[in-house]
Amino acid sequence: AQSVAQPEDQVNVAEGNPLTVKCTYSVSGNPYLFWYVQYPNRGLQFLLKYITGDNLVKGSYGFEAEFNKSQTSFHLKKPSALVSDSALYFCAPLLSGGYNKLIFGAGTRLAVHP
Amino acid sequence: GAGVSQTPSNKVTEKGKYVELRCDPISGHTALYWYRQSLGQGPEFLIYFQGTGAADDSGLPNDRFFAVRPEGSVSTLKIQRTERGDSAVYLCASSLMDHNSPLHFGNGTRLTVT
Repeated sequence: AQSVAQPEDQVNVAEGNPLTVKCTYSVSGNPYLFWYVQYPNRGLQFLLKYITGDNLVKGSYGFEAEFNKSQTSFHLKKPSALVSDSALYFCAPLLSGGYNKLIFGAGTRLAVHP
Repeated sequence: GAGVSQTPSNKVTEKGKYVELRCDPISGHTALYWYRQSLGQGPEFLIYFQGTGAADDSGLPNDRFFAVRPEGSVSTLKIQRTERGDSAVYLCASSLMDHNSPLHFGNGTRLTVT
């Protein structure tokens, strides 16, 4: 069965420190992988995606993610966290080719402290 | 420009009643999706429209749920004989046709069945 796991319910980090939000997946074939972010009282927003090519993909707001095929992981990273990065982050592999049928993880709440 | 608009933002209904949730996608987006997000969970796929037709409705939980998009723009999700377990945030998203294009989500309709 195809699945995605975000092992941490919450990640706490001090402002200015690097952050990592973990994601592992189990999907058939070559995976298309996405990260979305949900700010309080706002809709889900696209952050970045991996389709093919370079294993390190860059996205919005200084975020990047590293695709690791052997470990079936797609961890989200940022070199220096901001308080405004505090939000709920979702990892989402694509289930079907051709359209955006995504399977979302349960989400990881990122709390950045001043 | 205008984003995805969902109305109402909140809906409280009694068990057994019928409800309609409306989604107005971004102009020019041919693909439209409904997802459902239960408390503490990531969004779950319900249905995908390409134009006027439902190309994939495999995520609809049962035959009480139905969705239409008669003119290829606005979509309505209809739930008959609502149950308390239907309480969730119903998210609509739209995108350009291909899966490389990210989803643009609305703010959702929070449905509470009492």
